[in-house]
Amino acid sequence: GESVGLHLPTLSVQEGDNSIINCAYSNSASDYFIWYKQESGKGPQFIIDIRSNMDKRQGQRVTVLLNKTVKHLSLQIAATQPGDSAVYFCAELKGGGSNYKLTFGKGTLLTVNP
Amino acid sequence: DTAVSQTPKYLVTQMGNDKSIKCEQNLGHDTMYWYKQDSKKFLKIMFSYNNKELIINETVPNRFSPKSPDKAHLNLHINSLELGDSAVYFCASSLLGRRRETQYFGPGTRLLVL
Repeated sequence: GESVGLHLPTLSVQEGDNSIINCAYSNSASDYFIWYKQESGKGPQFIIDIRSNMDKRQGQRVTVLLNKTVKHLSLQIAATQPGDSAVYFCAELKGGGSNYKLTFGKGTLLTVNP
Repeated sequence: DTAVSQTPKYLVTQMGNDKSIKCEQNLGHDTMYWYKQDSKKFLKIMFSYNNKELIINETVPNRFSPKSPDKAHLNLHINSLELGDSAVYFCASSLLGRRRETQYFGPGTRLLVL
């Protein structure tokens, strides 16, 4: 399968369950965080973002939580569906002016079982 | 209708060859990027251009030369291809100065060097 040899953290859930994907970031000066979803054979797709002056942001079926004390970010997906199966990346934005750089985390492979 | 497009989608070539990948965005963005994704799905920035000017140049061999003929295009030329260059290359774009610095990714170019 796709996960063989990838050594990605993996999360396997049943359809309809809630999923929580975690991410630790490194730079306490980062002020903007983004979650991306990458389906097989496609480019990363924006899901939701959060600024460092917030600790929670909700979208449609997704919620991002930010804990700056422990430099931890999580993505919660409610009522997970088979179409949610993908690799999920957190990313932190560093820099200023035109020198913005997006640094991606390792990625988590989410598999939704019907 | 396509936001960020790349050509070719697949590229298979011999070691030592020179090849180019093209990227175009029709989002009106002023900043474009090249990322490399390895076999472990790790995504790392290579270059960024803002208004045709090189802004970010990560530690990338000189064999890689980006070129931005205008704000909507960012091409990547690779000389003397090596086995280790095999990866998926993603182009992305964003609009600096907006409150949300979201980057939009292309579908990727799968490069295999034999």
